[in-house]
Amino acid sequence: EVQLVESGGGLVQPGRSLTLSCTASGFSFDYYAMHWVRQVPGKGLEWVSGISWNSNSLTYADSVEGRFTISRDNSKNSIYLQMNSLTAEDTALYFCARRHTTGFFYFDLWGQGTQVTVSS
Amino acid sequence: ENVLTQSPGTLSLSPGERATLSCRASQSVSAGYLAWYQQKPGQGPRLLIYGTSNRATGIPDRFSGGGSGTDFTLTISRLEPEDFAVYYCQQYDNPPWTFGQGTKVEIK
Repeated sequence: EVQLVESGGGLVQPGRSLTLSCTASGFSFDYYAMHWVRQVPGKGLEWVSGISWNSNSLTYADSVEGRFTISRDNSKNSIYLQMNSLTAEDTALYFCARRHTTGFFYFDLWGQGTQVTVSS
Repeated sequence: ENVLTQSPGTLSLSPGERATLSCRASQSVSAGYLAWYQQKPGQGPRLLIYGTSNRATGIPDRFSGGGSGTDFTLTISRLEPEDFAVYYCQQYDNPPWTFGQGTKVEIK
């Protein structure tokens, strides 16, 4: 089955760190660029970060630049999002998403998400 | 960044009716680089439309997209029970890639 499964979310205190994982199955993972998108209830979807198939290109939203780091391990069919200096504004449901093979930045496969709650 | 505004916020319709959803961009989206997604509770979004009017794999032909420049629409010709969900537009013309805030299509 073609799918993405996120993990690693949870409750974390402000200022602390957390690392999310996303594991792919059912397709040639190392062929695709992958992204993280988050969703705050009532505020829609926000693109967070993206990584090319070979990790040569890393991109970030301004809101997380310098605090979040995206990476991947093609041998494990996985991407990661290391999140440092977390604030309440980072509270959201985090999705990983596969970029379409056309190379354009729309997303043709999504996981179910992992919840991150930043609170003391 | 290109801000996308969707309207209406909620659309109350009956099965079999036609749904028309709007997405307006604060800046022109060149070459029609606009996508639409459907999201149901507890699920990640599902790609419906890309390039303004191209249906993604497996999407039924009752879904259609149109528009250009700053104004785009998603039309569902005849609502099926499984179509009641939240719909988002997304531009991929210029980074950061941005989404609208969503339109909820609910059963009247």
